[in-house]
Amino acid sequence: GQNIDQPTEMTATEGAIVQINCTYQTSGFNGLFWYQQHAGEAPTFLSYNVLDGLEEKGRFSSFLSRSKGYSYLLLKELQMKDSASYLCAVRKDSNYQLIWGAGTKLIIKP
Amino acid sequence: GAVVSQHPSRVICKSGTSVKIECRSLDFQATTMFWYRQFPKQSLMLMATSNEGSKATYEQGVEKDKFLINHASLTLSTLTVTSAHPEDSSFYICSARTHPYGYTFGSGTRLTVV
Repeated sequence: GQNIDQPTEMTATEGAIVQINCTYQTSGFNGLFWYQQHAGEAPTFLSYNVLDGLEEKGRFSSFLSRSKGYSYLLLKELQMKDSASYLCAVRKDSNYQLIWGAGTKLIIKP
Repeated sequence: GAVVSQHPSRVICKSGTSVKIECRSLDFQATTMFWYRQFPKQSLMLMATSNEGSKATYEQGVEKDKFLINHASLTLSTLTVTSAHPEDSSFYICSARTHPYGYTFGSGTRLTVV
């Protein structure tokens, strides 16, 4: 079957760094996405990894290890507006459908 | 960048009526549109995949006669919830595949059936 696991909730302090992990077991792999979703809004794209390694984009970075079925999203210099749910999604193959994790609710405290 | 405009953002309807949700790609051609529903505090659940000019492919457990999807043009896809009931109340989101590897989401529709 298909399975994507993320922690349900995490808490971090404003200005700090937080790492959100995602592990996946899918019958195929054609890229991993991270999205941010604020309550009542649609997801917004953060990052995409298809090869092993780290992708850095401003305060956000995403890492992928295909052999371990593992990714993480790293958020630096946390701001209160970063309080949101972070969704990990895997694209299995060329039909372009995404398999979604349940999301990690990130709570930022002053 | 690619934008998908989704309307309405919120709708309240009476039980037994039908509701149409529209998603328009404003500056690109959306050959493939994904329709999701999301219950509170849960992740996105794929309902169906539609390709322009062909019938939608529905996920297991999704009633195709209840959730009618039309993708008649490269810039417009619609989801009609027919004979809506309170259990259909949810957040519905469309997503278009954009090249080379991304996806653009509509802003979502909060449907409340009373």
